[in-house]
Amino acid sequence: DTEVTQTPKHLVMGMTNKKSLKCEQHMGHRAMYWYKQKAKKPPELMFVYSYEKLSINESVPSRFSPECPNSSLLNLHLHALQPEDSALYLCASSQYTYSATQRENQPQHFGDGTRLSIL
Amino acid sequence: SQQGEEDPQALSIQEGENATMNCSYKTSINNLQWYRQNSGRGLVHLILIRSNEREKHSGRLRVTLDTSKKSSSLLITASRAADTASYFCATDDYSNTGKLIFGQGTTLQVKP
Repeated sequence: DTEVTQTPKHLVMGMTNKKSLKCEQHMGHRAMYWYKQKAKKPPELMFVYSYEKLSINESVPSRFSPECPNSSLLNLHLHALQPEDSALYLCASSQYTYSATQRENQPQHFGDGTRLSIL
Repeated sequence: SQQGEEDPQALSIQEGENATMNCSYKTSINNLQWYRQNSGRGLVHLILIRSNEREKHSGRLRVTLDTSKKSSSLLITASRAADTASYFCATDDYSNTGKLIFGQGTTLQVKP
């Protein structure tokens, strides 16, 4: 069982709907990530939160709005999405983004994703 | 463009055989990680190798890193049907931000 829980597992929405994806981890990790993954492609980074603050936004369209209410939760609010936004959305967490003492990125723990379909 | 490129894109072997996947990258790195993704699931971290390491083992996995050639390889020995999955290498972009850049991945099929 994964230690990063994502809900819902599947979501079908119209282009005018507003919905949210949720991600939760209880490993005490202080970095959380959103990725988008298309079929047979690698994950593409969307957002990084470090200590509940947004540290990286990879020029993601504003119809995707991330939120980190506390150190265990990460949300992705969706509004007015396009058909090309249909994909698997993965959440991940890590102890930190980067360890200055070890001089390395931390391994990331992934949830099983939300399969999003835009009609 | 992706930092890491992997080959082969697809690999099909019989159970018990070894599987080797290669990853190349373009810029300096702090470390390189390998992940596995089973169909319809999230990614699972397999192993991390630092830039000052040349080889690392974990169970049936052996990873090598050649920073002069900017390449890494993942060897799975005595493969099992359960090893069927996609395998991705991931590098940092040397920005110390935690950002990982994934390679295109190798799809491994292990036939029983």
